[in-house]
Amino acid sequence: KNEVEQSPQNLTAQEGEFITINCSYSVGISALHWLQQHPGGGIVSLFMLSSGKKKHGRLIATINIQEKHSSLHITASHPRDSAVYICAVRNSNYQLIWGAGTKLIIKP
Amino acid sequence: NAGVTQTPKFRVLKTGQSMTLLCAQDMNHEYMYWYRQDPGMGLRLIHYSVGEGTTAKGEVPDGYNVSRLKKQNFLLGLESAAPSQTSVYFCASNRNSYEQYFGPGTRLTVT
Repeated sequence: KNEVEQSPQNLTAQEGEFITINCSYSVGISALHWLQQHPGGGIVSLFMLSSGKKKHGRLIATINIQEKHSSLHITASHPRDSAVYICAVRNSNYQLIWGAGTKLIIKP
Repeated sequence: NAGVTQTPKFRVLKTGQSMTLLCAQDMNHEYMYWYRQDPGMGLRLIHYSVGEGTTAKGEVPDGYNVSRLKKQNFLLGLESAAPSQTSVYFCASNRNSYEQYFGPGTRLTVT
């Protein structure tokens, strides 16, 4: 069993829909990261959080430490949000353990 | 700031050839990492460094060597390339406990 599990693996939605991507982990962590990888391959860090909730524009990330679960939400989704969204957890050695990613496609 | 840069962007090697990938960052970050990304898989850590002159093995270190002679540079070497090392390689850096910044990636094909 992978230490970081994401769901769904693939998600296709219509423009404007509310999107939720889930991440569950089984190890102790110091922080959890959400990253975005565009079709061109570049990787951008979206959030780093260790508790509660963070918001940036239309993106919201939440984490529940007790349940070892995090969610990434996208409100009013747009085709430019199409990308792979990756969850990664930072262990006590400051190494990142990566999920396999969720491929999101937003159709106009 | 240029951020994190990687050289080269693309490379094709024949089995048994050697090469070095260069990662450079201008943000004075202590931590630097080399990852590989294969189709359908998450990033896997090859080696990392917590400071100048120090390196450590990650999840998949076999077949690779690294050096961090200067704080701003982290080199990844393949001494004898194998087709299994065909992948996209990403370098990243960060300050202690802060988010990682990624380079644009190097696409390596070994034939």
